[in-house]
Amino acid sequence: DAGITQSPRHKVTETGTPVTLRCHQTENHRYMYWYRQDPGHGLRLIHYSYGVKDTDKGEVSDGYSVSRSKTEDFLLTLESATSSQTSVYFCAISDRGPNSYEQYFGPGTRLTVT
Amino acid sequence: DAKTTQPPSMDCAEGRAANLPCNHSTISGNEYVYWYRQIHSQGPQYIIHGLKNNETNEMASLIITEDRKSSTLILPHATLRDTAVYYCIVRSQRGIQGAQKLVFGQGTRLTINP
Repeated sequence: DAGITQSPRHKVTETGTPVTLRCHQTENHRYMYWYRQDPGHGLRLIHYSYGVKDTDKGEVSDGYSVSRSKTEDFLLTLESATSSQTSVYFCAISDRGPNSYEQYFGPGTRLTVT
Repeated sequence: DAKTTQPPSMDCAEGRAANLPCNHSTISGNEYVYWYRQIHSQGPQYIIHGLKNNETNEMASLIITEDRKSSTLILPHATLRDTAVYYCIVRSQRGIQGAQKLVFGQGTRLTINP
């Protein structure tokens, strides 16, 4: 299994509070991604990173920001959490080169905003 | 990106071959077909991918029609552990800066019955 961890694994927070989710990899892969998964929607890309300090938006980026200050860590921040951000969040990584077709996913973080 | 159409659910007997279809009639010449699966509550797992030719690996086989408008994922001897949601994704090999921005649909919920 690819070395990807997510923390926390579960979090309950109140509307309006800031929340930061962390994705940590030990594979030295170039690309990192944040997805959310909701019933009836499959996985949707929030933001991704193509290098240290290099990030771009995905299809559902409103209300989220990201940062990548070093290769191994990709942080997802909800500046002011809303109930619509209750979801399961998955981090993924991929590399460049001949094996760049495969994304490896982390175990997920279940976030509940009350 | 080409859209994909998959049946919402399928059943298969343990030990038999599971054949999962996917329609991607608007696929363009440089777009690959990827298959991922998601076992309950876990992050998605890469299975296989292909462009034109049929592909086989230790997990599955991928059959792509000559016109590339549809494909079939084959699990040759399904086991109970293959029960999962299977996603067919069509995506060009390279996104911005080489990143992959996978677009997941609803997938097919495959149930393997004893």
